[in-house]
Amino acid sequence: GAVVSQHPSWVICKSGTSVKIECRSLDFQATTMFWYRQFPKQSLMLMATSNEGSKATYEQGVEKDKFLINHASLTLSTLTVTSAHPEDSSFYICSLRWGKGYTFGSGTRLTVV
Amino acid sequence: DQQVKQNSPSLSVQEGRISILNCDYTNSMFDYFLWYKKYPAEGPTFLISISSIKDKNEDGRFTVFLNKSAKHLSLHIVPSQPGDSAVYFCAAGSRDDKIIFGKGTRLHILP
Repeated sequence: GAVVSQHPSWVICKSGTSVKIECRSLDFQATTMFWYRQFPKQSLMLMATSNEGSKATYEQGVEKDKFLINHASLTLSTLTVTSAHPEDSSFYICSLRWGKGYTFGSGTRLTVV
Repeated sequence: DQQVKQNSPSLSVQEGRISILNCDYTNSMFDYFLWYKKYPAEGPTFLISISSIKDKNEDGRFTVFLNKSAKHLSLHIVPSQPGDSAVYFCAAGSRDDKIIFGKGTRLHILP
């Protein structure tokens, strides 16, 4: 199946700074990738759909100016959390659809202090 | 409004016995369903899926049953093993490619 590499696996940043998370498809050309966020003991919530070469589609309630998504190539999508605040601390996961299933990255634990 | 519901936050099962994880959904437009397993601080791992045209799909120790009239699906794991201890997410998707996850059920396999 498709292999997805997500980096970094964890990051601690100060309030007000920006953090970039990368999601790479290692063996599959992904025109569409998905970004999820999971708070403790909560479900994985879809934040946005990343489309190669065009603007991302954001879910209701997700601030597109705060969570910048770039999908410049068929193998790389990035999520930048801008002006991070402690409430942005969460587990962020990327995913792509492969065949009849979805493959997920290993996730990024973001802690904003 | 939760479209995919896993009403049991946790479940404990004796090793060797059957684990049954349940999931209900509300949106009749979903046409495929998936189960994922997740360990702490890791991404979900795909386990098994089922299309809405089927009522059962089996893969080794894992079997998923779908009851469309009841909008209910379940994951059976038999026999349960210690390595099965994890959080299991039910997910449902439709043709727009988005999948909606339930809140998960934490499965504890007891020795």
